[in-house]
Amino acid sequence: QKEVEQDPGPLSVPEGAIVSLNCTYSNSAFQYFMWYRQYSRKGPELLMYTYSSGNKEDGRFTAQVDKSSKYISLFIRDSQPSDSATYLCARGGGGSYIPTFGRGTSLIVHP
Amino acid sequence: DVKVTQSSRYLVKRTGEKVFLECVQDMDHENMFWYRQDPGLGLRLIYFSYDVKMKEKGDIPEGYSVSREKKERFSLILESASTNQTSMYLCASSWVIHKSTGELFFGEGSRLTVL
Repeated sequence: QKEVEQDPGPLSVPEGAIVSLNCTYSNSAFQYFMWYRQYSRKGPELLMYTYSSGNKEDGRFTAQVDKSSKYISLFIRDSQPSDSATYLCARGGGGSYIPTFGRGTSLIVHP
Repeated sequence: DVKVTQSSRYLVKRTGEKVFLECVQDMDHENMFWYRQDPGLGLRLIYFSYDVKMKEKGDIPEGYSVSREKKERFSLILESASTNQTSMYLCASSWVIHKSTGELFFGEGSRLTVL
């Protein structure tokens, strides 16, 4: 079992929709959780991170961690075509300095 | 801004050739990483380095080697390229974990095609 599991999609939504992207993880020792965004033909870049559990909001984006169910979520409100990208969840911390990534979910927001 | 620069964006090589992929970072990061990214498989770690001349194998090191002679530079070497090494290669760097969350800063990627 991979440490971080993520449905690769693709996920296609109309502009303005609320998007929910999800991952599960296996090791409860993990502390930091991150979301990276990767546009086509570019390297990933950090979008948000959360520590331990709870929510973190940044504009239209909300990252949520539920440690009881080992679930990581990213919500995008009022989605825009410019949000079309691959979103990768990752875990950090937990005694290792090597982040572990999910496979990434391809999101397409059509006008 | 943090910058991770991969010298070649697109390469086409023949089976059996030796291939060098170069990566340079300008943030004085201790850690550097090489990943490959394939459709449906996500990011897979090939090698990483936590200091000059230090290296550790990742999940898929077979067929690859690395070199880190200077802190800012991390090279990936394919000794004898094969068609199954056709992929997107991503270099990344980070501070050590106790200084940060371990955020990785990625380069733009090098797309290698082996014929």
